[in-house]
Amino acid sequence: AQSVTQLGSHVSVSEGALVLLRCNYSSSVPPYLFWYVQYPNQGLQLLLKYTTGATLVKGINGFEAEFKKSETSFHLTKPSAHMSDAAEYFCAVSDPGSARQLTFGSGTQLTVLP
Amino acid sequence: DGGITQSPKYLFRKEGQNVTLSCEQNLNHDAMYWYRQDPGQGLRLIYYSQIVNDFQKGDIAEGYSVSREKKESFPLTVTSAQKNPTAFYLCASSIDQATVITGELFFGEGSRLTVL
Repeated sequence: AQSVTQLGSHVSVSEGALVLLRCNYSSSVPPYLFWYVQYPNQGLQLLLKYTTGATLVKGINGFEAEFKKSETSFHLTKPSAHMSDAAEYFCAVSDPGSARQLTFGSGTQLTVLP
Repeated sequence: DGGITQSPKYLFRKEGQNVTLSCEQNLNHDAMYWYRQDPGQGLRLIYYSQIVNDFQKGDIAEGYSVSREKKESFPLTVTSAQKNPTAFYLCASSIDQATVITGELFFGEGSRLTVL
């Protein structure tokens, strides 16, 4: 069975600082990996995804993530935080060999300080 | 505009009452999903449907029921058997089951149910 661990349920950064949200996964096969963003009282929006190919993936709003198989990680980064980045971020994994749906992490709440 | 509409956005009910949450999509998607979100627990799958008149239990189906009589509609009923129904409920859809694997899930804005 696959699982996702997001380290840090709450992360605070200053505006303009680097954003780093951590995600580690467990999967018996090479997984597909995703980051979703959720603004207050709204649904989730796909930020970026890794399926195959280049391990550095760029997404919307300046975010990117790197798939590191040796570390079983898929950390999300953004060079310079903006106030509008404040939201909850979810890492998710799926098993490409199965029809099973996405497995989500518990989420990381990002606060951006002025 | 195409999308997923959930209603109501906020709902209060007394303990022991059944509640039905609506989910409608006009994206012409085959697959639809219901997730439950609790603080600090991420999203947990309740039920999913790959096609009209067919649905499967997810990880936490006990105390919930669904129907899929039309492609665009996938209502969720929270029954009195659900021991702790207060939560944020999210409906999602994808073109088909295969696109879920590649991550293309589209979400509604959610329904927040509070049981008094």
